[in-house]
Amino acid sequence: DQQVKQNSPSLSVQEGRISILNCDYTNSMFDYFLWYKKYPAEGPTFLISISSIKDKNEDGRFTVFLNKSAKHLSLHIVPSQPGDSAVYFCAASGGTDKLIFGTGTRLQVFP
Amino acid sequence: GAVVSQHPSWVICKSGTSVKIECRSLDFQATTMFWYRQFPKQSLMLMATSNEGSKATYEQGVEKDKFLINHASLTLSTLTVTSAHPEDSSFYICSARDGEGPRKDYGYTFGSGTRLTVV
Repeated sequence: DQQVKQNSPSLSVQEGRISILNCDYTNSMFDYFLWYKKYPAEGPTFLISISSIKDKNEDGRFTVFLNKSAKHLSLHIVPSQPGDSAVYFCAASGGTDKLIFGTGTRLQVFP
Repeated sequence: GAVVSQHPSWVICKSGTSVKIECRSLDFQATTMFWYRQFPKQSLMLMATSNEGSKATYEQGVEKDKFLINHASLTLSTLTVTSAHPEDSSFYICSARDGEGPRKDYGYTFGSGTRLTVV
């Protein structure tokens, strides 16, 4: 069973506009959520994270929102840049060292 | 920052042979390392948790006799794919947990991955 889901496999956004990537989870024991960016044939690189005790965390152009009642989180990128084009994974952890990854969303930012 | 080196970055092997992938934490000690597998256009699936000085913990459905994990030191974990078959062809990624790392990113650092192709 897929405990972390990203229902949109791809997203295309114009440069300068907002990119919104969504992630849903089913396990209410998850208490920490992370977003990673990944290029082909490379390992993921950390972007931003949020603890379950918060509902928002911001770091520069990246903001993550968490809605615990809906078991939903989203990553906002404003303004989007062509260099943001990559696959984005959300990941969750709940009391252990293990990270459970979502299925990924391919973001393409066009000029 | 923390760096994890994974080697080789790609390997092609014949069916039936074994392949070893190394994962090293370069500037920190990692008591725990993780091995993931990614199929094309799919998620990173956790295969096993590698613990220094003890046996690895495998996820459900992962054959421990096929994917041998050794974590002999605080900076090195190895994954050996034994008797490889074409269906084992995949992208394998390791990560290490830096116990001293900042809480904000949970201290995980990923290697650059290994593309395994079994012919």
